[in-house]
Formats: sequence, structure tokens, C-alpha cells
Amino acid sequence: QVQLVQSGSELKKPGASVKISCKASKYTFTRYAMNWVRQAPGQGLEWMGWINTNTGNPTYAQDFTGRFVFSLDTSVSTVYLQISSLKADDTAIYYCTRGADLRSGYTSGWYYWGQGTLVTVSS
Amino acid sequence: EIVLTQSPGTLSLSPGEGGTLSCRASQSVSNNFLAWYQHKPGQAPRLLIYGASSRATGIPDSFSGSGSGTDFTLTISRLEPEDFAVYYCHQYVTSPWTFGQGTKVEIK
Repeated sequence: QVQLVQSGSELKKPGASVKISCKASKYTFTRYAMNWVRQAPGQGLEWMGWINTNTGNPTYAQDFTGRFVFSLDTSVSTVYLQISSLKADDTAIYYCTRGADLRSGYTSGWYYWGQGTLVTVSS
Repeated sequence: EIVLTQSPGTLSLSPGEGGTLSCRASQSVSNNFLAWYQHKPGQAPRLLIYGASSRATGIPDSFSGSGSGTDFTLTISRLEPEDFAVYYCHQYVTSPWTFGQGTKVEIK
């Protein structure tokens, strides 16, 4: 069964950085895109962008440029989300979710999700 | 950017009742690349419907999706206690992929 397992909760101070991971298993890692989705407290789901797991090329949504970096390590089938210069507004649950088949560009919705990583930014 | 507007914001229903959730897009969602997710606190979102009307694996037939173009609907025919959650529509045809703001289905 496909699994996406994310790293644990993080508590950070404003101005610090955080790097969270999403480890994929039971499928060919480089075949599917990986998306990142944020849910701030009391808010809805917000797409942050995606990374091409075959080329490593990231694409960021407009609100997530500059301080947000997607990366990956294909040797361990893991994608990463790094956020620098953390602000209180970055407090949220961050999800990875498997996206489109990179060969066809097709997806039948985002069926597989990580369990979410809570990042809390507080002094 | 395709903006998705969901209505109502909150739907108050009793177990056993049915309900209809609406999702309106600011421009046509071609190929009906529109999905619905159920989201409960402390859990990952769960894909219910893709392609506007296809049920995802393991989803009971009490959930059905319909619509095309700019108007889409999720219908829950008989609410079970575990169906009380927030529901989001999502378009995946045009980047940036976007979500609606959600409809909370609460116990009446």
C-alpha cells in the first residue's frame, strides 16, 4: 500500500528555519509529482506548489515564493519542505500529497496524503 | 487563477438525512478535473470524488458528484455519524491548483 510518512511536529522561534520531510514508499518515487498543501489554524486547504520528482524542478504558488524551498533525495524516496525566516503566520499543518503521473501528466485526484506535520512558530 | 466558491458555508443536518454541497468555479473547469475531499481534524484529507463524478477507491455510494463547466455538486444521500466533517472542492486542470474555502457539515 502506498505510504507517505511525514516528519514530526516542530516548534520554532520567529526567524528560525525548519525542514520537514515526506518519505514515500510502495511505488516508483520518480514517476509521480509531489505537492505540498498548507492548512493554517481555522483556515482551509491551500496549495503551496509541487516538485517534479524526476527532475527535481520545483514550482511554487504565488504566495510561497522566496522563503519556501522544495527539494528531494531520490535515494531515500523523500521530498523536503524548508521554510526560512519563520513568522507566526507560518504556523500551520503542512501536508505532502502525491500528484500527477509525470509520464502522462494525468491525475485522478490526490488520493495519497501524508499525515501532516504541525509547525508552530512562537517566541 | 480559477477561484472556487463553495456554498453553503455550514450545513446543519441530522444523521440519516441527505445534503447537497455546491462548488462554483470562476471559469470553466475543462475535462471536469474537479475533485471533492473530506477533511476531519487531526486527519489527512480524504479523496471522495475525482473527475467531477467518479468515486475514489473505497468511497461508499452514499457519496456522489455531478456537474460540469462551472457548477459542481457533491451529494451525500444518508449521513452517517462519521460523515460530519469539512468538505472541499478542488480543481486540478489549471495551475495554480485551487481549493474552495470548504463547507462544514455539522450535526443538527
